Amino acid sequence: EAQVTQNPRYLITVTGKKLTVTCSQNMNHEYMSWYRQDPGLGLRQIYYSMNVEVTDKGDVPEGYKVSRKEKRNFPLILESPSPNQTSLYFCASRGGVGERINEQFFGPGTRLTVL
Amino acid sequence: GDSVTQMEGPVTLSEEAFLTINCTYTATGYPSLFWYVQYPGEGLQLLLKATKADDKGSNKGFEATYRKETTSFHLEKGSVQVSDSAVYFCALPSGGYNKLIFGAGTRLAVHP
Repeated sequence: EAQVTQNPRYLITVTGKKLTVTCSQNMNHEYMSWYRQDPGLGLRQIYYSMNVEVTDKGDVPEGYKVSRKEKRNFPLILESPSPNQTSLYFCASRGGVGERINEQFFGPGTRLTVL
Repeated sequence: GDSVTQMEGPVTLSEEAFLTINCTYTATGYPSLFWYVQYPGEGLQLLLKATKADDKGSNKGFEATYRKETTSFHLEKGSVQVSDSAVYFCALPSGGYNKLIFGAGTRLAVHP
């Protein structure tokens, strides 16, 4: 089954404790990205990656890092989490060809609470 | 910059009622337009899309027409079901499909 998976689904942590949220896709997509969802704001892009070793900032990159060492994986790293990073996070991937070029596939989400 | 504005929710309807969720956009050129749906506890799924002016996207009884004149892409369904209860997001691509710009989302609750 074609899918985007994220882990963990739920995470409660404390300020300053480094954490990583993993994302993996099995569709051989070149493009992957991370969004955060906050009430009244919709989803906002944090970072995206066009391919292995190619990443760029989205609209709200402060406080986050990413890496793309393999095509299928795109982890989101919070080096020193703060309470304002409490949010619902989504990973997404997109193929690069054909009429589905603009269709993004989303993971199930990771709900993060930073105390 | 590009932006999407959706009507605020929540929208509460009885089963079999008619649904409209308004969406207007600001963008350079004529981008594709999307509606995504988020069921409780799940990620976003593409519900329907339209790639050019006057196109009508449709899926699962939902429809939306790309109106260039009014820069709108309103979502409609003639008869909603309890299973349609979800959050609906209007979106458009930006930066050469590197990013989706989302509206704030509209929560729909359908009661029997």
